[in-house]
Amino acid sequence: DTAVSQTPKYLVTQMGNDKSIKCEQNLGHDTMYWYKQDSKKFLKIMFSYNNKELIINETVPNRFSPKSPDKAHLNLHINSLELGDSAVYFCASSQPGGIHEQYFGPGTRLTVT
Amino acid sequence: AQKVTQAQTEISVVEKEDVTLDCVYETRDTTYYLFWYKQPPSGELVFLIRRNSFDEQNEISGRYSWNFQKSTSSFNFTITASQVVDSAVYFCALGPLSGNTPLVFGKGTRLSVIA
Repeated sequence: DTAVSQTPKYLVTQMGNDKSIKCEQNLGHDTMYWYKQDSKKFLKIMFSYNNKELIINETVPNRFSPKSPDKAHLNLHINSLELGDSAVYFCASSQPGGIHEQYFGPGTRLTVT
Repeated sequence: AQKVTQAQTEISVVEKEDVTLDCVYETRDTTYYLFWYKQPPSGELVFLIRRNSFDEQNEISGRYSWNFQKSTSSFNFTITASQVVDSAVYFCALGPLSGNTPLVFGKGTRLSVIA
């Protein structure tokens, strides 16, 4: 029983393309997140949704657009991919608030060529 | 501003040695939570522990122990009798109590345990 799942696990694409990453959680959590982990392993929050509502939008290019059709799903769409977008993208979920531990998906390794 | 510093970028130890991973945080909040996560070579992020700021008791779980000292703003993680399977990147994180502020992660410490 996977708690937080992401698809695809690997994504290789060319510059300029548009791609999506999907995330689903079956933990009954209200809050979901997208993180970007760069090649130096630095984890940076990108977005956070609480019950389908965007609550955190860090300084991310507007080529990145999250969508939450329901509180169990948070997808990430990226337009006009650039080389610098290559990274591992993690989805996570938790109950609302920073006091709760976050459970992470397995990550999606995006490589832009 | 919230900040987490893991000064040790990489640590290498021989199996069965004890190793301590340091974590120092900065926050103006009086109430907050601290976390440790493990990222093994397979890449997933695994939650290890959560500790709130008003509980300074140390915690032990098997070979893992955590030393929280509010006076020095530190939440250090010790692995006793390290094993090769402990090789991973370990992240310390700070969770403010208020609102929807997300976790603030340190940059991680890569631990290599050599057989």
